[in-house]
Amino acid sequence: DTAVSQTPKYLVTQMGNDKSIKCEQNLGHDTMYWYKQDSKKFLKIMFSYNNKELIINETVPNRFSPKSPDKAHLNLHINSLELGDSAVYFCASSQGFAETQYFGPGTRLLVL
Amino acid sequence: GQQLNQSPQSMFIQEGEDVSMNCTSSSIFNTWLWYKQDPGEGPVLLIALYKAGELTSNGRLTAQFGITRKDSFLNISASIPSDVGIYFCAGHKGSARQLTFGSGTQLTVLP
Repeated sequence: DTAVSQTPKYLVTQMGNDKSIKCEQNLGHDTMYWYKQDSKKFLKIMFSYNNKELIINETVPNRFSPKSPDKAHLNLHINSLELGDSAVYFCASSQGFAETQYFGPGTRLLVL
Repeated sequence: GQQLNQSPQSMFIQEGEDVSMNCTSSSIFNTWLWYKQDPGEGPVLLIALYKAGELTSNGRLTAQFGITRKDSFLNISASIPSDVGIYFCAGHKGSARQLTFGSGTQLTVLP
């Protein structure tokens, strides 16, 4: 009965590949987010969706493309992976904008 | 984007000691939140504060919403080994569509 789940938990891939990370929430929330946590543990917001509509799109390379098929899902597709994309990616959800957010367990991406 | 000033950056304490950390901002927030991230996991909400001056407890944790609305404090009493992790503060302004996070306080509890 995990509230916010992400798959995969670990992702090791070669530079130049394309990969996707999936996120699902069963909290009935209408807003979902993607964050990137770098090696210094800093949490940086990348995207947010409200009712499947893109709301926040921070300065993120257009190799990153989020997709929200419905309110409960927000996936992240990354094209042409680069070494600097190595990080932990967290999905989160909330009811309304930036109210209390609930985070997934993270996807640890390592680009070789 | 804007960051919250969170301090200290890291702490090493003995088991049983009390811990204090704080978060400050140059601007006003309407909501303050404290999260804990266990090693290898995602951040988990500990305490949410919605009113200036509010003091809220969750077990051994106590957090306060500063009366100026520009700061918040988190105290942990009688620390135990499972308190180890990174503690993040986060603030929300009424019109904003995202949270502003602090840079985290890494807590290590020594036996």
